[in-house]
Order: sequence, then C-alpha cells, then structure tokens
Amino acid sequence: QKEVEQDPGPLSVPEGAIVSLNCTYSNSAFQYFMWYRQYSRKGPELLMYTYSSGNKEDGRFTAQVDKSSKYISLFIRDSQPSDSATYLCAMSESNFGNEKLTFGTGTRLTIIP
Amino acid sequence: DAGVIQSPRHEVTEMGQEVTLRCKPISGHNSLFWYRQTMMRGLELLIYFNNNVPIDDSGMPEDRFSAKMPNASFSTLKIQPSEPRDSAVYFCASSLVERDSDTQYFGPGTRLTVL
Repeated sequence: QKEVEQDPGPLSVPEGAIVSLNCTYSNSAFQYFMWYRQYSRKGPELLMYTYSSGNKEDGRFTAQVDKSSKYISLFIRDSQPSDSATYLCAMSESNFGNEKLTFGTGTRLTIIP
Repeated sequence: DAGVIQSPRHEVTEMGQEVTLRCKPISGHNSLFWYRQTMMRGLELLIYFNNNVPIDDSGMPEDRFSAKMPNASFSTLKIQPSEPRDSAVYFCASSLVERDSDTQYFGPGTRLTVL
C-alpha cells in the first residue's frame, strides 16, 4: 500500500463549478500538507500548504486537513479553464523545503468552458 | 531569476547506453532534489543534497543510478546502463534550507525515453 493515495481521475467539470480533490495517507508522522499544480510538460509548482490540521484559504482555493482521518482536500471555487492541470498532494514530516516529500500520483483536472 | 535549469529537455537513447541528466539550481539555494515521475508511480524522490552533500539516497532504484553535486551550482544524475523501465520524466528541484516552510522549486524536467 502506498503511503499517499490519490484518485488519478481524470476529472472534468464545467467552468464555474466547485472542484473537490482528495488524498488519504497512512503515515501519522506527516505534519506538512501541500498541494502542487502541474501544467502539461511543466514542473510542479506549490499552490498552497497547511501545517497540521485545519483549513487554509487563498483566493478561490481552500485546503483542508483532517489528521484524525488522515484525509486532506483541496477545493477550487468558481473554477476557470486556466485551472486545468494535474494536482498533486504532497506531505512531509518536517520543514518541507529541506525534507523528503511524499507525493500522491496526481489528479488530472479539466475545466470545460 | 532563471529558475531551476535542466538539460537536456528530451533524451532518447537505446538500452545499455549511458545517460547523463544535468541540473543547475536556483542561485543561493542549498538543497537540491532529484525526482522521477511516471504514470504508474507518480513523483518519487530519488536523492537529495544539502550543501552539496548527499543526505538521503534511499530512493535511488539500484546501482545503475548515481548522482553527484560537485558544487553549489551543478548536479548530475547518471544512469549506466540504461533500461527501458527507466523511461520517465526526471525533475530537479532546489530550495533554501534556512527558511522554514519554504518550497521546493522544480525545473521543467527531462523526458527520458529508453528504447
């Protein structure tokens, strides 16, 4: 069993819809939870991160972490065609700039205009 | 800033050949990471360096893979001999370790195809 599980999709939704992306994990030592966005033929870029449990909002994006359930989510409101990309969840036990990241396999998202 | 630079962007080689992938991290960064991405396994860490010293190479698949960082501005990942199952996109990432919760900045990747 993988340490981080993520539904690979693909997921297609109409423009303006709310998108929900999810990951589950098994390592209770994970403290930092990240979402990366990867456009086609590009490297991943950090979208947002959360430390421990709770919610974090950044514009149209909201990240949620439930450590008791080992479950994290990313919500995208008012989705735009420019949001079409692969979304990767990632986790680490400590300072994630200098630490091994464990990634999910990614969910490919398409926003239909 | 130019970001993380990787070369070549694409590499096609035949089984048994040596492959060398190159990475120039962001200037001033002192951590460097090599990842491999495949459809089946996703993004996996192969090895990472702090201040040019290898810290964790547990993700290196086997002895055919080796990585070096001779100085703060250059790293290589070598595969010798290459096999078709090595076909993947290889990413290099760098970060500044002193900043807590700083991100890893990824390069554009090298798409490797071994025939």
